Amino acid sequence: QSVLTQPPSVSGAPGQTVTISCTGSSSNIGTGYDVHWYQQFPGRPPKLLIYSDNKRPSGVPDRFSGSKSATSASLAITGLQAEDEADYYCQSYDNSRIALYVFGSGTKVTVL
Amino acid sequence: VRLAESGGGVVQPGRSLRLSCAASGFTFSNSGMHWVRQAPGKGLEWVALIWYDKSNKYYADSVKGRFTISRDNSNNTLYLHMDSLRVDDTAVYYCVRGVRVAASYFDIWGQGTVVTVSS
Repeated sequence: QSVLTQPPSVSGAPGQTVTISCTGSSSNIGTGYDVHWYQQFPGRPPKLLIYSDNKRPSGVPDRFSGSKSATSASLAITGLQAEDEADYYCQSYDNSRIALYVFGSGTKVTVL
Repeated sequence: VRLAESGGGVVQPGRSLRLSCAASGFTFSNSGMHWVRQAPGKGLEWVALIWYDKSNKYYADSVKGRFTISRDNSNNTLYLHMDSLRVDDTAVYYCVRGVRVAASYFDIWGQGTVVTVSS
């Protein structure tokens, strides 16, 4: 099972706001390590969506935003659009020695 | 900017396989490189990291002692040698660039190569 915990699915109507949580522990997010987010469409590789907690790479719409607090982080999608239907993964660094880099379990966003 | 994996296929349990990843469009020799895999219908799992100068290599516990990451900076190529393959190694394997040396994130992903371990 994944080290970072995400809800399996979230859904919303077009125009609404959805939020995806990412819960970690003292060996990763709780230590202060950055959280990053990826978007993945079926049959495609993941794409970097948010890095260093809340920064957007060039070309990522500003309706995507990230935040972090204590041992958890969140990705918010405001003004949800049909093209946002995809899987979303959080990622961080981990100092537990099991794996240096850990991902969330993934969240499927469905646009109703 | 591109990463192109190759070398995947169907292999029996206990056998070996070597994956390659050709990089282009960026300074490969300055970049830490990773392998990340995704089992069918499952999430992402980090597999291995090699520093830009080959000085350090790190592995997930699930592959430690069986997989070896390496690179050829003169040919802009990353490798993953996989020994003693198991059924649960079945996955799409992605070659990925890490943005920084420590606590990195992944900004360039290849299309992936499929490895199926089955008798």
